[in-house]
Amino acid sequence: RKEVEQDPGPFNVPEGATVAFNCTYSNSASQSFFWYRQDCRKEPKLLMSVYSSGNEDGRFTAQLNRASQYISLLIRDSKLSDSATYLCVVNTNAGKSTFGDGTTLTVKP
Amino acid sequence: EAGVAQSPRYKIIEKRQSVAFWCNPISGHATLYWYQQILGQGPKLLIQFQNNGVVDDSQLPKDRFSAERLKGVDSTLKIQPAKLEDSAVYLCASSPLKGSSYNEQFFGPGTRLTVL
Repeated sequence: RKEVEQDPGPFNVPEGATVAFNCTYSNSASQSFFWYRQDCRKEPKLLMSVYSSGNEDGRFTAQLNRASQYISLLIRDSKLSDSATYLCVVNTNAGKSTFGDGTTLTVKP
Repeated sequence: EAGVAQSPRYKIIEKRQSVAFWCNPISGHATLYWYQQILGQGPKLLIQFQNNGVVDDSQLPKDRFSAERLKGVDSTLKIQPAKLEDSAVYLCASSPLKGSSYNEQFFGPGTRLTVL
């Protein structure tokens, strides 16, 4: 079993749709959590950190459930520019990062 | 502020040859990472440096891969000899704080390696 597992995707949604991605992790000692975005043939970039109380940044909402060891990302009112691969990242307290394999989102007109 | 620089951007070699990649992190960043990203997968950590010391190299195939971080700044990753399965994008990232799990990582553009 992988340390970080994501919905396999791909997700194909129309503009304006709401889409949610889930990610589960196996290391109960994990300390911090992130969502990164990776465009095709580009490097990953931080989308948002995930806080225990949940956090929102515009159309994006991230949630953390430590008891169930999963993280979610909700995108509301999808735009064409949201098309990308979304990577779930889990860090240990020593700063070691484990990436999921990503979920690919395609938003269509 | 300049980002993470990597070179070369592309490299094609034959199996059993050697190859080296170079990374220059963001100025002042204490932590440097090398990742291997195979097509369709997420980045896999190969080695993590804090200044010029190794923090984690548990997933580095040490029989063929080596890495060093010169004076706690630039870093090189070497593969000798290369295998077909080493074809991947090699990503370098840096982050500003020492030993913190809350660091944002800033990635370079990567080196795309093809082994024939």
